Amino acid sequence: DAKTTQPPSMDCAEGRAANLPCNHSTISGNEYVYWYRQIHSQGPQYIIHGLKNNETNEMASLIITEDRKSSTLILPHATLRDTAVYYCIGRSGGSNYKLTFGKGTLLTVNP
Amino acid sequence: NAGVTQTPKFQVLKTGQSMTLQCAQDMNHNSMYWYRQDPGMGLRLIYYSASEGTTDKGEVPNGYNVSRLNKREFSLRLESAAPSQTSVYFCASSEQARAPLNYGYTFGSGTRLTVV
Repeated sequence: DAKTTQPPSMDCAEGRAANLPCNHSTISGNEYVYWYRQIHSQGPQYIIHGLKNNETNEMASLIITEDRKSSTLILPHATLRDTAVYYCIGRSGGSNYKLTFGKGTLLTVNP
Repeated sequence: NAGVTQTPKFQVLKTGQSMTLQCAQDMNHNSMYWYRQDPGMGLRLIYYSASEGTTDKGEVPNGYNVSRLNKREFSLRLESAAPSQTSVYFCASSEQARAPLNYGYTFGSGTRLTVV
């Protein structure tokens, strides 16, 4: 599975878009990019995942660069409840168990 | 609400004591997992069960045993607790282990274990 690199922390103003970057330069062709978040003291929560194309769901959008070496998770209108640690994870299509969490990015949404 | 239920939520053990952490899911998921999370660190996989009747070691299995009792339940046992096992333990489940049909893991709310 690809090694991912994320900034340790970011700030965002409430109501503005939060753009969380992730580098995964070693990602292989069959590896998916997953995003999870963990609000303080809670279990991680699945947000979105993608392979090549940009993806959008009710929580967020995922933009993957054409060379797939990096991606950005976008929370379009951040709220205080979006303050959490966000994890970017690379996972191969053949992987049968591994979801490896790094240290993630602590996003703080400020009023 | 459908989801993953873990019991207990909090536990204090003395060194050498044993205990079992319980996990149950009601989403008819095939795969279940146990992770631990230490302060300032990401989650580390202890054991997983890709399907009912199978279990396999993850990154940090030493000191733990697991049982996949049925499709719904996956328990984690500490036979002789040590202070190094003080952690928050998360259970998770997914439709199946293999991506991309795995649309994501559902995690429980965690068990906070302190070993003194």
